[in-house]
Amino acid sequence: GAVVSQHPSRVICKSGTSVKIECRSLDFQATTMFWYRQFPKQSLMLMATSNEGSKATYEQGVEKDKFLINHASLTLSTLTVTSAHPEDSSFYICSARGNWEPLYNEQFFGPGTRLTVL
Amino acid sequence: SQKIEQNSEALNIQEGKTATLTCNYTNYSPAYLQWYRQDPGRGPVFLLLIRENEKEKRKERLKVTFDTTLKQSLFHITASQPADSATYLCALGSSDSNSGYALNFGKGTSLLVTP
Repeated sequence: GAVVSQHPSRVICKSGTSVKIECRSLDFQATTMFWYRQFPKQSLMLMATSNEGSKATYEQGVEKDKFLINHASLTLSTLTVTSAHPEDSSFYICSARGNWEPLYNEQFFGPGTRLTVL
Repeated sequence: SQKIEQNSEALNIQEGKTATLTCNYTNYSPAYLQWYRQDPGRGPVFLLLIRENEKEKRKERLKVTFDTTLKQSLFHITASQPADSATYLCALGSSDSNSGYALNFGKGTSLLVTP
């Protein structure tokens, strides 16, 4: 149980276009989802915390107008990279927090989305 | 500022030996610490969680220790196998509900187990 999927797994786009990444919790409801970004050989950097039905909380230095997050249901959060540029190329990973004991603090990660902006 | 440090150099060990990975942190008082495994091009997979009031946790061939005085966690894989080769991430969490229980990750340590 506790499976998280991401779609697409890989996307290549032209500079200036927008890309939407979906994160779904398949067999549980996730009131809280997280979006991370990981550059090669670097740690996962938290971009934002997404709570169902409310605005996302962005980490310092992350542009909320560039990285739009929508968590409209208990099983789906989306990240839209608007007007993507080559420097946005990265590995984007979402996670969903377990909301049942004893896994209340555990996060279940999606498989990641590799974004390449040409 | 908060810092989480893991061995930056890759750890190479022989199959059957015990692998020990280190996670040190500063300027942080985590309520719990987690270890994840990450394979290339994949998302992290949860392995173990240990709380601040626990000294040691075991799961099959895995053992984690947590010393809040030293601000250090050790992650052991006994009887290591080539399939254990991966990057292992240490993550610290708070009990602060305002943060949504977000995790802070170290850079990870790459483990290579050779036959």
